[in-house]
Order: sequence, then structure tokens, then C-alpha cells
Amino acid sequence: QVQLVQSGPEMKKPGASVKVSCKASGYSFTNFVINWVRQAPGQGLEWMGWIDPNTGRPTYAQDFTGRFVFSLDTSVTTAYLQISGLKTEDTAVYFCARVMDAGVEINWFDRWGQGTLVTVSS
Amino acid sequence: EVVLTQSPASLSLSPGERATFSCRASQSVRRYLAWYQQKPGQAPRLLIYDASTRATGVPARFSGSGSGTDFTLTISSLEPEDFAVYYCQQRADWPPYTFGQGTKLEIK
Repeated sequence: QVQLVQSGPEMKKPGASVKVSCKASGYSFTNFVINWVRQAPGQGLEWMGWIDPNTGRPTYAQDFTGRFVFSLDTSVTTAYLQISGLKTEDTAVYFCARVMDAGVEINWFDRWGQGTLVTVSS
Repeated sequence: EVVLTQSPASLSLSPGERATFSCRASQSVRRYLAWYQQKPGQAPRLLIYDASTRATGVPARFSGSGSGTDFTLTISSLEPEDFAVYYCQQRADWPPYTFGQGTKLEIK
């Protein structure tokens, strides 16, 4: 069955970097765009951007340019989110989510990873 | 940017009752609206897309309606597992995705 399994919780100090993984299985990895969504504690959902596993091309939402990098390793069907220069306000759960239809960049998110809590604290 | 405003912020109902959630868009999103359910400690789950199409495996008690700027999610008869937070999402305009702030459905 289709699954997205994310890496475990991370605790980092301000200024450090973190890399969150999203391992996909049960479908053709390169056919479905992967999105990243942030949820700060007790808050709503915020779209961060997507990466197309077919082309490797990332697209970032305006608030997530510069310190946020999406990448892939298609050999292990895994997408990554790297955040550098961490700030306390980056503390959040980060979700990866797959679009519903193959071959399209923009579509509804029908499969989600379980989320990765990143805590940034001195 | 399309702003989605959900109302009410919270809803307190009993099992068996009908729940109605509203999502209003700041400009027309045609029918490009979805609803997600999120339970504590879990990822969101797609319930409804394209305003009124139930996602695979979603019970028939969930229904969506609306177009343009006004949308509604209805749960016809609440089950204990339905108590959660509900979000609407649009994909009609750039940025391609925005979410509402959510409505928390609580047990009365």
C-alpha cells in the first residue's frame, strides 16, 4: 500500500541545520509530486512548497525561500527537507504529502507522512 | 493570495447530531476546494476534494457543497471518531495552496 514514512523527532539549537526524510513506498515514486507542509504547535497548516521527483525541480512558497531546501534520492525513493540556520520559530511538525494524481504538479494531498517534530531551543 | 476563513472556530456537538462547517474564500476558487480531518498527533486526512467529491474510503455521512467563495462540509450524523479539527484548502490561485485556520469539533 502507499506509504510515506518520515524520520524521527529532532531537537536542535538555534543556528544549526536539520534534514528530515520522507521515505515513499507502494507506488511509482517519480510519478507523484511531493509537497511539504508545516504546522507550528497548536496552529494550522502552512504549505511550504513541492518537489517533482520526475525532474528534481523544487518550488518554494514565498516564506520558505533561502533556508529551506527540498531534495531527493530516487534510488531509495526518499524526499528530504533541509532547514539551515534554524530559529526558535522553526519549531513545528513538518509533513510530507503526495499529490493525488500522477504527472501533475498541483493537486490534492491524498497521502501524508506521519509528521516529524523539529524542536529548536537553546 | 486567497485567504480562506473558516467558521465557527469551534463547534460543540453530541454523537448523532449534524455538524456543519463553513469555509469562505477571499476570491473565487471555482470548485477547487478540499476538506481535511486532523486528529491529535496525526497527519491530516483528505475527506472531500473538488468541493463535493468524497475521497476513497470516506464514509457517506461526510458531504461537501459550494462553489466560488462559499463552501460547506456537513457530517450528517456524528460518530465518536469524527471529533477532530477540520481544515479547508484551495488550489485555484498562486500560491497554489492555502489552508483555512481550522474548525475544532468537540464532544458536548
